[in-house]
Amino acid sequence: GAGVSQSPRYKVAKRGQDVALRCDPISGHVSLFWYQQALGQGPEFLTYFQNEAQLDKSGLPSDRFFAERPEGSVSTLKIQRTQQEDSAVYLCASSLDTLYEQYFGPGTRLTVT
Amino acid sequence: SQQGEEDPQALSIQEGENATMNCSYKTSINNLQWYRQNSGRGLVHLILIRSNEREKHSGRLRVTLDTSKKSSSLLITASRAADTASYFCATDLGGGNKLTFGTGTQLKVEL
Repeated sequence: GAGVSQSPRYKVAKRGQDVALRCDPISGHVSLFWYQQALGQGPEFLTYFQNEAQLDKSGLPSDRFFAERPEGSVSTLKIQRTQQEDSAVYLCASSLDTLYEQYFGPGTRLTVT
Repeated sequence: SQQGEEDPQALSIQEGENATMNCSYKTSINNLQWYRQNSGRGLVHLILIRSNEREKHSGRLRVTLDTSKKSSSLLITASRAADTASYFCATDLGGGNKLTFGTGTQLKVEL
């Protein structure tokens, strides 16, 4: 079946613009995660959903970052008033439930100029 | 902040040789996972080892876990050029399965 998909794959934003990144998890996967990966680093956790409930948002770096998953399937990560330090690859992952392995999407590479 | 650190940061070997990567972490874990990431692509799950397991095999992969030393190793036997990638260990601390990744080992397998 289809894996995790993310769109857009690449996004260039001018500093101060708002962006929205989309994640389509594997059908039936209950858990959904967002990670941020800076160049040359490992991914860092941003936030986690169990169905539509956002159970952990401890990794969001500032209140400019907002994530939602209103119907427990597709998720959107929104970044308001983008800054240069927001430039990174944003990875989405889904899993059947907790205690299972996570399947990652290809990521969205965000460049803020 | 990164929970784990991989060692070495970079590794270059010849095809057919074995590659060993190590991961150290700081706090008690529920499980530890290894992922591979090819240049410009997403992460691919390789193997999961639970805190009560000491060794696990999957094809050419062998993972060990020593919870007393808070360390794990990934062995790739008979390496191939296609194994060239970055390898990350990730720990699950048990809080909803969110993963904390290490800094990665860049493996290059040369023909």
